[in-house]
Amino acid sequence: EAGVVQSPRYKIIEKKQPVAFWCNPISGHNTLYWYLQNLGQGPELLIRYENEEAVDDSQLPKDRFSAERLKGVDSTLKIQPAELGDSAVYLCASSKTGSTEAFFGQGTRLTVV
Amino acid sequence: AQKVTQAQTEISVVEKEDVTLDCVYETRDTTYYLFWYKQPPSGELVFLIRRNSFDEQNEISGRYSWNFQKSTSSFNFTITASQVVDSAVYFCALSEVGDYKLSFGAGTTVTVRA
Repeated sequence: EAGVVQSPRYKIIEKKQPVAFWCNPISGHNTLYWYLQNLGQGPELLIRYENEEAVDDSQLPKDRFSAERLKGVDSTLKIQPAELGDSAVYLCASSKTGSTEAFFGQGTRLTVV
Repeated sequence: AQKVTQAQTEISVVEKEDVTLDCVYETRDTTYYLFWYKQPPSGELVFLIRRNSFDEQNEISGRYSWNFQKSTSSFNFTITASQVVDSAVYFCALSEVGDYKLSFGAGTTVTVRA
């Protein structure tokens, strides 16, 4: 069974440019999470989806970050415009509804220059 | 608010030594889950264990063992007879029941030298 798939693995962009990350969760997992991991720190939740509904986006900086999961399967996280401080790893995870066992992808490492 | 503290930033051991990773947590809930994840250089967070707050039994899985003590709010992780492949960053995390968000500690980098 395929795990959580994220792309791209690495992205380098100039500040003020837009960037998007894509995530395909494990088949059958209705819950999808986006986490932000800064260097030397643990991941922090940005947003959680139940199917296509964002049920917890309280930590998402909505002035520049947006996310969507239109058909309740794969998801896209966007930053526009990117800032130097956005350099980090963006992790996607998924789980079955009601389960606390989340499975993570390999992440997208973003470098903003 | 929930909080997880991993006081050890880095641990370096020689192969076959045992290594214990400390995790202390704070929560106002009486019902919660505790987790350990492993993050190898590839970047993927690998689930190792989940314990609920009502189950204080220690657990052993191969070379891994976990010691959960509610009285001290600790959930420590021991790798016995460490191997080079154990080199990774290990994260302790907490989730309160009904809140599926994982609150992670800052992680402990374990380096096992041959």
